[in-house]
Amino acid sequence: GIQVEQSPPDLILQEGANSTLRCNFSDSVNNLQWFHQNPWGQLINLFYIPSGTKQNGRLSATTVATERYSLLYISSSQTTDSGVYFCAVKYGQNFVFGPGTRLSVLP
Amino acid sequence: EAQVTQNPRYLITVTGKKLTVTCSQNMNHEYMSWYRQDPGLGLRQIYYSMNVEVTDKGDVPEGYKVSRKEKRNFPLILESPSPNQTSLYFCASRHRDGYTFGSGTRLTVV
Repeated sequence: GIQVEQSPPDLILQEGANSTLRCNFSDSVNNLQWFHQNPWGQLINLFYIPSGTKQNGRLSATTVATERYSLLYISSSQTTDSGVYFCAVKYGQNFVFGPGTRLSVLP
Repeated sequence: EAQVTQNPRYLITVTGKKLTVTCSQNMNHEYMSWYRQDPGLGLRQIYYSMNVEVTDKGDVPEGYKVSRKEKRNFPLILESPSPNQTSLYFCASRHRDGYTFGSGTRLTVV
């Protein structure tokens, strides 16, 4: 099956800093999403981005499908950005999640 | 607004007592699925459904049942829950722009 890796596993930032999260996948996919799991456990959809670049406020994402990776950029981080960030890819009839990056933004 | 609704949000039950976690979506999506999330193991697919009356096993189906009698509902049934089914459960539906997840059900089996 497909392997989905994320780096770094943990990240601690001071409020206002920028960060880049990476997602690598081992096979061709036609659906990639980024999610934020907040401290209450809810999975919030950030981007549907099988290829190209999208921006939404302080967040943006880029997927280079031919090279099998995606990047999530967080600029001017805020304490409310804390939580776990997952990328997930559609593979067959499954939706395979990476292990996540745990982000802590300190005030 | 597109929504996937799960109930209950929290549930504590005893071993062997049958329970059902409900999931409904208001988007007329054909595909729905269930996942469980466990520390160190991530999110894993339990069952999925391609359409009404069409269901299939995911990666971890043991101890679970599902049904899809109508397009909007996809309940998860635990006939005889055991403590190893203590987990955070998510229902999802799939659409053109990806997947939408419910708010999760935190289940504890004692």
